[in-house]
Amino acid sequence: NAGVTQTPKFQVLKTGQSMTLQCAQDMNHNSMYWYRQDPGMGLRLIYYSASEGTTDKGEVPNGYNVSRLNKREFSLRLESAAPSQTSVYFCASSDFGARTGLSYEQYFGPGTRLTVT
Amino acid sequence: AQSVTQLGSHVSVSEGALVLLRCNYSSSVPPYLFWYVQYPNQGLQLLLKYTSAATLVKGINGFEAEFKKSETSFHLTKPSAHMSDAAEYFCAVESYSSASKIIFGSGTRLSIRP
Repeated sequence: NAGVTQTPKFQVLKTGQSMTLQCAQDMNHNSMYWYRQDPGMGLRLIYYSASEGTTDKGEVPNGYNVSRLNKREFSLRLESAAPSQTSVYFCASSDFGARTGLSYEQYFGPGTRLTVT
Repeated sequence: AQSVTQLGSHVSVSEGALVLLRCNYSSSVPPYLFWYVQYPNQGLQLLLKYTSAATLVKGINGFEAEFKKSETSFHLTKPSAHMSDAAEYFCAVESYSSASKIIFGSGTRLSIRP
């Protein structure tokens, strides 16, 4: 199993350009997430998808859109990139279900380093 | 709302010394708690998790954490640090506002001195 994969690994954009970050998981997980990581701020949730066909805003959704294409894939789109969106972006997935003793540990991809100039 | 606070953004210990990374949580109900590790230029990897079974949880690479309800703490320890333990460590708590979300702390960078 590849786990969670993300493309691209690195990207440089100019202000105002758009791009889509791709994420796929092969663990048959229901839930998928997009985070951004900035120095000293830990991980902040941008959007998540609790199950196929649903998406919800996280802590910092402004300037982003997402698409849950199918159970495996969850993409993040920057419509008009801004320097404040320079960050490392992580996709994660987890197995969502009733509280039967299963924990909601999340499995992370390797990240995309995005620089907006 | 659930939250976690990690005390100390940077901890430095000598190789072979005890590692202690502190985490306090805020939650109105018994939480699920996690420690993740992030090695340079990599994603996060689960170290261990607490799911209300045993209060002392053992994880990978010799790490363990103890859930103390009276102190609302979930500190991470390792008896003897190794150079390969140098990384950033994140404490996290399950969010009850949505059963599929986890709230992360701001992280603690662990450095190991030779």
